[in-house]
Amino acid sequence: DAGVTQSPTHLIKTRGQQVTLRCSPKSGHDTVSWYQQALGQGPQFIFQYYEEEERQRGNFPDRFSGHQFPNYSSELNVNALLLGDSALYLCASSMLAGKLNEQFFGPGTRLTVL
Amino acid sequence: AQKITQTQPGMFVQEKEAVTLDCTYDTSDPSYGLFWYKQPSSGEMIFLIYQGSYDQQNATEGRYSLNFQKARKSANLVISASQLGDSAMYFCAMREGTLGNAGNMLTFGGGTRLMVKP
Repeated sequence: DAGVTQSPTHLIKTRGQQVTLRCSPKSGHDTVSWYQQALGQGPQFIFQYYEEEERQRGNFPDRFSGHQFPNYSSELNVNALLLGDSALYLCASSMLAGKLNEQFFGPGTRLTVL
Repeated sequence: AQKITQTQPGMFVQEKEAVTLDCTYDTSDPSYGLFWYKQPSSGEMIFLIYQGSYDQQNATEGRYSLNFQKARKSANLVISASQLGDSAMYFCAMREGTLGNAGNMLTFGGGTRLMVKP
């Protein structure tokens, strides 16, 4: 049973560029959440997708957008990259009405903005 | 105000000894869940243990146990018989509300770096 997968593993971009990160949830999960983890800090919630719609959003600008596909996989898009967007981006999957303790994370995508 | 506070930036523990990692939380929602995750240098967040606000007993998972003191709003992680492989960052996180209503958003603390000495 595959867990949460993310691609790519690492990414290097320059300021002003755009980036797309991808996530496939654990089998049976229908909800995908994205988190940004800056170096030395805890993860910060970006947004959550369920039924192909954004259901919750954290305190992130509109440069951060996402999408969820019918197979529950998800993309995170960041436009007009800033140096401060350099971070580990984590995807977590769960079932919206599933077990209370299920919230599994993928290995993350490490984004470096130069 | 911080919703999750981890006051220990770093801790050392001798191999085979027990260690307690502190976590305090702040919420006005009567329904919430508390999670502990381990993050090795590779970056992946590994789920360790969960405690629901209505759970009567403290959660245990193998060498991990959660010392849940609801009135004090604390949820400390206890690791027994520490191993070298336990060296990692440890994060406490909270989900507020019930599933389906508030979604599954987690709020994380700043983490504690645990170093196990041989």
